[in-house]
Amino acid sequence: DAMVIQNPRYQVTQFGKPVTLSCSQTLNHNVMYWYQQKSSQAPKLLFHYYDKDFNNEADTPDNFQSRRPNTSFCFLDIRSPGLGDAAMYLCATSRDLGDREKLFFGSGTQLSVL
Amino acid sequence: AQSVAQPEDQVNVAEGNPLTVKCTYSVSGNPYLFWYVQYPNRGLQFLLKYITGDNLVKGSYGFEAEFNKSQTSFHLKKPSALVSDSALYFCAVRDDTGRRALTFGSGTRLQVQP
Repeated sequence: DAMVIQNPRYQVTQFGKPVTLSCSQTLNHNVMYWYQQKSSQAPKLLFHYYDKDFNNEADTPDNFQSRRPNTSFCFLDIRSPGLGDAAMYLCATSRDLGDREKLFFGSGTQLSVL
Repeated sequence: AQSVAQPEDQVNVAEGNPLTVKCTYSVSGNPYLFWYVQYPNRGLQFLLKYITGDNLVKGSYGFEAEFNKSQTSFHLKKPSALVSDSALYFCAVRDDTGRRALTFGSGTRLQVQP
């Protein structure tokens, strides 16, 4: 049973056209994360929510925004996608913040920018 | 600062043979180390973690990892590989100095041949 669900599995957008990726979780976890994974590279953390508290990584471009309307859902908004934003976007959750917490990942959304 | 190195892009091993996937890390303070596996078209799945205690950590699917502080390594091992172990493996590290985010390695593709 899927616990972290990402939709859609594949997303195609046009250069400069805003796009939203969605993530939902059935685990009731406090923390939700968005990672960007480019081909043959490590997943890179963009930001995370601890409950409603938003935490942006220092090097995340302003073009990337996020919303978490409730515990179960989190959205990634790319305001003006560029060709360099084509990547796999991974949503993850953890029960809490803390060094010992393991992450639960969704299957990812593969974003193409034309 | 923290970083992870996975020196091998790909590891090939015959079914039934032992396998090792290498990982070295760099952190300030004590490391918390993780291994995740990514099967095709799936999200990352937690395999095992080292927080403290015994240097040999056992995880899911018969995998284990050995923490070596002097060599700053956390190699993933399995005594007898299965074809179904073929996947992408990521090593990840956190430090204990207050940084919340995991840093992932670039991944190692394990190919187990029948």
